[in-house]
Amino acid sequence: QQPVQSPQAVILREGEDAVINCSSSKALYSVHWYRQKHGEAPVFLMILLKGGEQKGHEKISASFNEKKQQSSLYLTASQLSYSGTYFCGTEKGAQKLVFGQGTRLTINP
Amino acid sequence: EAQVTQNPRYLITVTGKKLTVTCSQNMNHEYMSWYRQDPGLGLRQIYYSMNVEVTDKGDVPEGYKVSRKEKRNFPLILESPSPNQTSLYFCASRWGGSYEQYFGPGTRLTVT
Repeated sequence: QQPVQSPQAVILREGEDAVINCSSSKALYSVHWYRQKHGEAPVFLMILLKGGEQKGHEKISASFNEKKQQSSLYLTASQLSYSGTYFCGTEKGAQKLVFGQGTRLTINP
Repeated sequence: EAQVTQNPRYLITVTGKKLTVTCSQNMNHEYMSWYRQDPGLGLRQIYYSMNVEVTDKGDVPEGYKVSRKEKRNFPLILESPSPNQTSLYFCASRWGGSYEQYFGPGTRLTVT
């Protein structure tokens, strides 16, 4: 079952914050986050494991709420380079990764 | 340079004409996968491989075949392509000790 991402799209000005949510109807053991810039391949951002700590990289961090079966990606003080489509992925058994439909993030100067 | 390569990058073909999209990685990764990307549907896994001669179906395997005869290569075969296989295809690989997948540049396939 494909995880559901919200919002589907968001437009921000440079310096504003954004939150992207990823929800699953099934129990989550891990959540993977990728970013895909227009015309490029997806690039791995981070993974959150069940029982693990909140992950972060510079001004991009994420949380994982096992009880609510959801993860949130936080982009703080967004930069132009953050523009792209963000995908969350959940594991459906070993090696089977199911991605959400994506959230398009546009950062304007 | 560590990378995943795909060929061809663009392909326009006709219904029923067999084709192969090649994927190669130079990182000695055990795991490799094929995905297709369609607007509004995100990335959907077609097939994956855990090592040489070990492959399994993903979520949308119908109409596709794969093989893994060498660790570095994981070709995707469309025996009889149909218009509903028009899509953007990505190959990805990862090392067994990491969750990070490395994606190839993509192959845009159009079947008329």
